[in-house]
Amino acid sequence: GQQVMQIPQYQHVQEGEDFTTYCNSSTTLSNIQWYKQRPGGHPVFLIQLVKSGEVKKQKRLTFQFGEAKKNSSLHITATQTTDVGTYFCAGHEDSNYQLIWGAGTKLIIKP
Amino acid sequence: DGGITQSPKYLFRKEGQNVTLSCEQNLNHDAMYWYRQDPGQGLRLIYYSQIVNDFQKGDIAEGYSVSREKKESFPLTVTSAQKNPTAFYLCASSIRQGVRFGNEQFFGPGTRLTVL
Repeated sequence: GQQVMQIPQYQHVQEGEDFTTYCNSSTTLSNIQWYKQRPGGHPVFLIQLVKSGEVKKQKRLTFQFGEAKKNSSLHITATQTTDVGTYFCAGHEDSNYQLIWGAGTKLIIKP
Repeated sequence: DGGITQSPKYLFRKEGQNVTLSCEQNLNHDAMYWYRQDPGQGLRLIYYSQIVNDFQKGDIAEGYSVSREKKESFPLTVTSAQKNPTAFYLCASSIRQGVRFGNEQFFGPGTRLTVL
């Protein structure tokens, strides 16, 4: 079936460093959503992007949707311990009502 | 206080037994979903339902069954046919499936099933 590839699988950063995760789809997406799952918790919706080239910010988090609507990224500036968790992207294809999930990127803060 | 509840949080069963996980939502959402998550992995869709008395198989439906007799309830049965049932099970709901705007999924706290 259709897949949304998400990289990297893990990212270790020092507190205060930046973090970025990328999602790529082989087909055009009608929208893309981002979720955060804290360790031991459940995914929580962060944001949805719909328009080609869209950029949205939430404090230190910047979300981008590519011009071709096939890729997206999440960038966190100056990570904090509260950012620890796994970040998932998920997208809808125009021809498919089913949400397709990336495998997630786990953000780990080095002690 | 609106939301999704799943019970129990932890569940232990002997191999060969069927077990039913509950999922209830009071968000008045039409669509409901069941996902399975294995350690360090992403979410895999088991079943989804867009409306009462209707449901469809997801990517890994074998060994599972569901019902949707009420809008607010979507229980999942893990049958003895499921070869490796130990996992974290997440239930979610959304206003409707496939709607371009405002169709984010809201998740319950999950049930950790361990089959001994």
